[in-house]
Amino acid sequence: DSGVTQTPKHLITATGQRVTLRCSPRSGDLSVYWYQQSLDQGLQFLIQYYNGEERAKGNILERFSAQQFPDLHSELNLSSLELGDSALYFCASSDLAGVRYNEQFFGPGTRLTVL
Amino acid sequence: DQQVKQNSPSLSVQEGRISILNCDYTNSMFDYFLWYKKYPAEGPTFLISISSIKDKNEDGRFTVFLNKSAKHLSLHIVPSQPGDSAVYFCAATASLINSGGSNYKLTFGKGTLLTVNP
Repeated sequence: DSGVTQTPKHLITATGQRVTLRCSPRSGDLSVYWYQQSLDQGLQFLIQYYNGEERAKGNILERFSAQQFPDLHSELNLSSLELGDSALYFCASSDLAGVRYNEQFFGPGTRLTVL
Repeated sequence: DQQVKQNSPSLSVQEGRISILNCDYTNSMFDYFLWYKKYPAEGPTFLISISSIKDKNEDGRFTVFLNKSAKHLSLHIVPSQPGDSAVYFCAATASLINSGGSNYKLTFGKGTLLTVNP
């Protein structure tokens, strides 16, 4: 158990809809990362938050957005969903101020299926 | 443009033998490399890492070798066990100085499915 929790575990929705994925980082970790794993692309970095502020963006679509709340949990919002958004979405956290600052700990993921 | 490449989608070895998983990278700014193991329906689990100032790091049955001049790293598992069967991801990151910021985002390879046969 990495200490990172993600809900829901599975999500099935229709094209055009909007969903919210939730992540709680390990206790004490200030940095949260979101990754997308699709069948042919492997794990792709989407976005990073650090202590409530957006710190870096990767291959994140404009239809997607995220935020990190004062209690450090994070939400990834996906809107106007398309079939191609079906993927596993992972959240990871790290302690950037600690010794193991380069290591990220991953949650179990949310499997999104868009029909 | 894939900056981290794992050219072998799968590898099969016998229990007790050595498993060697390979990874190549193209970005010279990468200075820290990690291996993650992933079982089905679970998130990636950190396995072992190496800084670019080293050429070897060992942790029990797992050893990672880094050849900076060739931009190549490898993960050795000795002896291999059936419980090691999983997808192994190579990942790389650029530190604060190299990245120009503090994001430490991980760039992953596409993974290698290791099967250890009893």
